[in-house]
Amino acid sequence: GENVEQHPSTLSVQEGDSAVIKCTYSDSASNYFPWYKQELGKGPQLIIDIRSNVGEKKDQRIAVTLNKTAKHFSLHITETQPEDSAVYFCAAQRGSYIPTFGRGTSLIVHP
Amino acid sequence: DVKVTQSSRYLVKRTGEKVFLECVQDMDHENMFWYRQDPGLGLRLIYFSYDVKMKEKGDIPEGYSVSREKKERFSLILESASTNQTSMYLCAGGSGAGSYNSPLHFGNGTRLTVT
Repeated sequence: GENVEQHPSTLSVQEGDSAVIKCTYSDSASNYFPWYKQELGKGPQLIIDIRSNVGEKKDQRIAVTLNKTAKHFSLHITETQPEDSAVYFCAAQRGSYIPTFGRGTSLIVHP
Repeated sequence: DVKVTQSSRYLVKRTGEKVFLECVQDMDHENMFWYRQDPGLGLRLIYFSYDVKMKEKGDIPEGYSVSREKKERFSLILESASTNQTSMYLCAGGSGAGSYNSPLHFGNGTRLTVT
């Protein structure tokens, strides 16, 4: 089955810095890679996703890159703000199959 | 906006009690999921369902069962609660086999404490 590794487990940055979270996956058939943000007291919510026919996708301060050859994908957050503090999960999914999640990254943005 | 609602935010139960966690979705999703979230272990899949009255075991089904009598409702049952089932439980809904590449929609979780 699919295996997703996510690093780092904790990331601490100063407000305004960039943050990068990296994930690797094992199943070359995976073709959908969503990222979820979980704020305190809430469930994970989708913030951005990328499909295997695309190498990069941006949405304001958030971007995701995908390297299919190396089987890794990354979340980039620029100009971090305190409200970006949360737990972030990556996932790999093959079509409509069940997603496999990484173990999560706790991002702390210091004002 | 899509919505997945978990009936309880916090529950405290005693060891040996039968516990029901309820989840309702308003998105007409075929798929529904129950996850358990523990620090350092991420999201672990307990059970999922592709359709009414259908259920499939996930990665950690031991000690749990589920019920899906209606499309919009998916219940997680702890037959005899134990202290090692103290955790955050997350319900999610997702599109079915006809909808490729779609994300899950999560509820806000139920934090269960078993004493």
